[in-house]
Amino acid sequence: GAGVSQSPRYKVAKRGQDVALRCDPISGHVSLFWYQQALGQGPEFLTYFQNEAQLDKSGLPSDRFFAERPEGSVSTLKIQRTQQEDSAVYLCASSLSPGPQSTQYFGPGTRLLVL
Amino acid sequence: DQQVKQNSPSLSVQEGRISILNCDYTNSMFDYFLWYKKYPAEGPTFLISISSIKDKNEDGRFTVFLNKSAKHLSLHIVPSQPGDSAVYFCAASARHSGAGSYQLTFGKGTKLSVIP
Repeated sequence: GAGVSQSPRYKVAKRGQDVALRCDPISGHVSLFWYQQALGQGPEFLTYFQNEAQLDKSGLPSDRFFAERPEGSVSTLKIQRTQQEDSAVYLCASSLSPGPQSTQYFGPGTRLLVL
Repeated sequence: DQQVKQNSPSLSVQEGRISILNCDYTNSMFDYFLWYKKYPAEGPTFLISISSIKDKNEDGRFTVFLNKSAKHLSLHIVPSQPGDSAVYFCAASARHSGAGSYQLTFGKGTKLSVIP
C-alpha cells in the first residue's frame, strides 16, 4: 500500500481509559502531522514531526495527549485518561518534505468514541 | 475565532453545471491555500492549491481563484459530475510559522451534491 495507514480504524474506550493510535506514513516522508476532527468540523492541528523531532505541539489540547515518532517513521498518538470530549476522528498526514507546498497526504483516520 | 470560514454547509448542483464553493480567511499571514475533498469514512484527498503570488490555478475541471484584497478564494468545478459529490474543505497555511510547522488550518467544509 502506498498511502498513509492508520490503526485501529475504530476505537471505543471507557472514560478514564488510555488509548494509543498508530500512524504509518508514506515511506520516505519526512513530515508527519496529527489532526483532530470533531463531528461537523474541519480537522484541527495537534502536532508536527520532522523525522523523529517533534517541532510543534502547540495544538495538543492538554497534557493527557502525547505523541511520538521515535525512529522517524511510524508515529503513535497516546491519550491518557480519556474523556468524552476526546471523541473525534484522529487524522494523520505525511508529506515528503518540510516545505509549505509539499502536499499533505491523509490517512483514513481513527474514529474514537469515549463512553 | 475561525480563521478559515466556509459559510455554506451544503450546495446542490445539477450534473453538467458549474459548482462554485467559497472560502474566506481572516489571517493575513496565510500565503498558501488548498482544497481537499473528503468522502465518508476516508481521509481528505488533496485536490488543488494556489500560492498567494497567483490569482488563479487550473487543473482539468477544477479552478481555484484567489482574491487577496478580499481574503477570499473559490473553487470552480466545471462540468460537475455525480462523482464530485463529497465534502470539500478549504485549508490555508502560513509560510513563516516560527516552529517550522506548515500546519493546515481548515474550514468546516461544504457538502456538495451533484444531482444526475
